[in-house]
Amino acid sequence: GESVGLHLPTLSVQEGDNSIINCAYSNSASDYFIWYKQESGKGPQFIIDIRSNMDKRQGQRVTVLLNKTVKHLSLQIAATQPGDSAVYFCAENGLGNYGGSQGNLIFGKGTKLSVKP
Amino acid sequence: DTAVSQTPKYLVTQMGNDKSIKCEQNLGHDTMYWYKQDSKKFLKIMFSYNNKELIINETVPNRFSPKSPDKAHLNLHINSLELGDSAVYFCASSLITGELFFGEGSRLTVL
Repeated sequence: GESVGLHLPTLSVQEGDNSIINCAYSNSASDYFIWYKQESGKGPQFIIDIRSNMDKRQGQRVTVLLNKTVKHLSLQIAATQPGDSAVYFCAENGLGNYGGSQGNLIFGKGTKLSVKP
Repeated sequence: DTAVSQTPKYLVTQMGNDKSIKCEQNLGHDTMYWYKQDSKKFLKIMFSYNNKELIINETVPNRFSPKSPDKAHLNLHINSLELGDSAVYFCASSLITGELFFGEGSRLTVL
């Protein structure tokens, strides 16, 4: 079936370095992708999103890249800080799955980011 | 001023019992959801309600029954609890095409 997955289950980086978290998706009909951050004991929190008509979108210290050719999504975090330590999820909302609501998301498995001081 | 609040935060119970988790959002959103997160952190949608009407019902046992008394509330009732029901249950809300806001989660442990 269609699925969203992550290449690396864990990622450890030094404080101040840049982090890159990768995600592969298989539903070619997906037109909307979102990255969520989940800190320990809390619910997922929206970080950044991107629509399929874009290949790059930048936020504050974060950038999402979308490569539709190879169905790949990545989240780049600049100057990683200890507060960035969390589990990061990519999610997709495939066309045909209940329409355009962001809530009908298929989540990937999650990557745990650990930031070493 | 919690946007999406769910209670209880922790719930420990015996197999076979019936339990409920409540969720309320004060964001004025028209759509609410229940997600289940297993021990491997995998998040999967269970139900979605828009203006009190069920719009998504994923493959979830009949023992799980959502109830939406109004569009600000979506409660989850679980009958005849099983060991495999142990998980963290997240309530969320959004506008129909907007950003998803999650609650803090309710950790259910079935013994």
